[in-house]
Amino acid sequence: GQQVMQIPQYQHVQEGEDFTTYCNSSTTLSNIQWYKQRPGGHPVFLIQLVKSGEVKKQKRLTFQFGEAKKNSSLHITATQTTDVGTYFCAGFSGAGSYQLTFGKGTKLSVIP
Amino acid sequence: DVKVTQSSRYLVKRTGEKVFLECVQDMDHENMFWYRQDPGLGLRLIYFSYDVKMKEKGDIPEGYSVSREKKERFSLILESASTNQTSMYLCASSLYEYKPSTDTQYFGPGTRLTVL
Repeated sequence: GQQVMQIPQYQHVQEGEDFTTYCNSSTTLSNIQWYKQRPGGHPVFLIQLVKSGEVKKQKRLTFQFGEAKKNSSLHITATQTTDVGTYFCAGFSGAGSYQLTFGKGTKLSVIP
Repeated sequence: DVKVTQSSRYLVKRTGEKVFLECVQDMDHENMFWYRQDPGLGLRLIYFSYDVKMKEKGDIPEGYSVSREKKERFSLILESASTNQTSMYLCASSLYEYKPSTDTQYFGPGTRLTVL
């Protein structure tokens, strides 16, 4: 079945440093979604990418979808303590698929 | 705002007990999902339902069953709880228009189940 690999599993950064998490799928994805889970909270939808090569920005967060639609990345510029949490990517394999396949997530710690 | 609620935040049960986890969503979503979340393993899909009385197995259905008698409610059932089912259980719902570009999932707060 479809697998979504996400690296790194953990990342510790000093506040103000940049952070990137990467997501790779074993199959071509119709779209990819990113979620954030704060400590003690539940996953919350951040963004969805659909087009090959798409780049979207949300303030200090930049999301990219690869040309082949098999990989994606989330980059945070100048991290803040409010960025702490686990970031998950998740992909749909194709039309008619109800099942999102989640990566294992990247847990971000920000040292003040 | 979409609201997904789960019946309990914390639950402690004994091995062999039958356990019911309830989930309710208030946005008339077609699809509902049950995941379990374990450290280092991420979110794993147990079951999902795309319509009332319809269900599909996810990646790890063994030891679980589900019920969806009404559109807004999706129940996860552990027929005979075991210690390896100690986990965080997350319910989610999504609208599902037949364009994957619009189908995001909304999660409930989770139920932390401990089986002794």
